Amino acid sequence: AQSVSQHNHHVILSEAASLELGCNYSYGGTVNLFWYVQYPGQHLQLLLKYFSGDPLVKGIKGFEAEFIKSKFSFNLRKPSVQWSDTAEYFCAVNPTGSARQLTFGSGTQLTVLP
Amino acid sequence: GAGVSQTPSNKVTEKGKYVELRCDPISGHTALYWYRQSLGQGPEFLIYFQGTGAADDSGLPNDRFFAVRPEGSVSTLKIQRTERGDSAVYLCASSLTIGQGNNEQFFGPGTRLTVL
Repeated sequence: AQSVSQHNHHVILSEAASLELGCNYSYGGTVNLFWYVQYPGQHLQLLLKYFSGDPLVKGIKGFEAEFIKSKFSFNLRKPSVQWSDTAEYFCAVNPTGSARQLTFGSGTQLTVLP
Repeated sequence: GAGVSQTPSNKVTEKGKYVELRCDPISGHTALYWYRQSLGQGPEFLIYFQGTGAADDSGLPNDRFFAVRPEGSVSTLKIQRTERGDSAVYLCASSLTIGQGNNEQFFGPGTRLTVL
């Protein structure tokens, strides 16, 4: 079975600061990788996804993530955060080529101070 | 509809009661998933349907939990003899399952269940 670790439980940044949220997974095979975001009072939304190909993927709202296979990592980055990025961020995985359930990390709460 | 919908948005019940939570997936999505999210945690998988059949129910915590999807569209999650520990947000998601590139899951707003 797969597992996902998000080591940062709560991150507080000022506007314009750079962001990097860590995500590491454990699984014996190849995986699809996702970052979801949950804004206050809203449902989970997909930020970006990696299935195959270029390990640097770009998502919505200026976010990007890099898949480093040797490190089993898929860290989320944004060069300059905004107050509106305040939300909870979840990393998730599922086995490649499947429509199977996602395994989520415990989430990182990001607070951006204006 | 345009997205996954779930009803009710909030449900308050008493310990020992029976509850039903409904999910209406995106039209044409054959895969449907139920997850449970407790406070401070990420969503945890409960059950997954491919069409009308439960393809994987390994996440259901015990036999008080049951889900159906009789016509391959709407699904109902049923919880018998509710316990306070069942309090959580129950999330539904749906996805296309044609090919690897289409297994993005789209989530509904969730049902917040509170068991008193």
